[in-house]
Amino acid sequence: GESVGLHLPTLSVQEGDNSIINCAYSNSASDYFIWYKQESGKGPQFIIDIRSNMDKRQGQRVTVLLNKTVKHLSLQIAATQPGDSAVYFCAERDSGYSTLTFGKGTMLLVSP
Amino acid sequence: ETGVTQTPRHLVMGMTNKKSLKCEQHLGHNAMYWYKQSAKKPLELMFVYNFKEQTENNSVPSRFSPECPNSSHLFLHLHTLQPEDSALYLCASSQEGQNTEAFFGQGTRLTVV
Repeated sequence: GESVGLHLPTLSVQEGDNSIINCAYSNSASDYFIWYKQESGKGPQFIIDIRSNMDKRQGQRVTVLLNKTVKHLSLQIAATQPGDSAVYFCAERDSGYSTLTFGKGTMLLVSP
Repeated sequence: ETGVTQTPRHLVMGMTNKKSLKCEQHLGHNAMYWYKQSAKKPLELMFVYNFKEQTENNSVPSRFSPECPNSSHLFLHLHTLQPEDSALYLCASSQEGQNTEAFFGQGTRLTVV
């Protein structure tokens, strides 16, 4: 479940479960969204992206859902594996700018 | 390997030292970025360079000085840092004008003592 204060939100799941990681954004002008995965000691790695003219996009074992009405983005990971353990960040890009704004991140812990 | 290489991977420096972080991208991108990642905080954008020109400086203290000699290389010069500057410094690149992702390097873990 989620923690409050300065702690990184953490989601703990069992191997084989499906995981859902959520992200809220505030900028209604954002038109491009990305999910990144960051393993310990490494830089963020691209997982999947979605443009604002879509509400769902699927990759290999991952699905991103975008709800522009409530400004909510989610990442679904099917059949979660121990190798999926990492911190997951959502990022958004305002249509008028080139830079990405990142969320705080959610730590996913997968138990064998 | 993401095509963005950062050196060094780890750096310990005293508060009176001068050091530089280096980033090189092999992706043909025209925009490069420095981000700071501190514990329990979101990634903080520090500087943006588009076509070698600095287009953003997010109120970063002058003890951090970026340099972009060409579209493939980016430096971050460090001088008289404070212990609270200890963090992971990430370089990224992207193609300006296209809605595509930014590619990150592995970062430099900086410790100021």
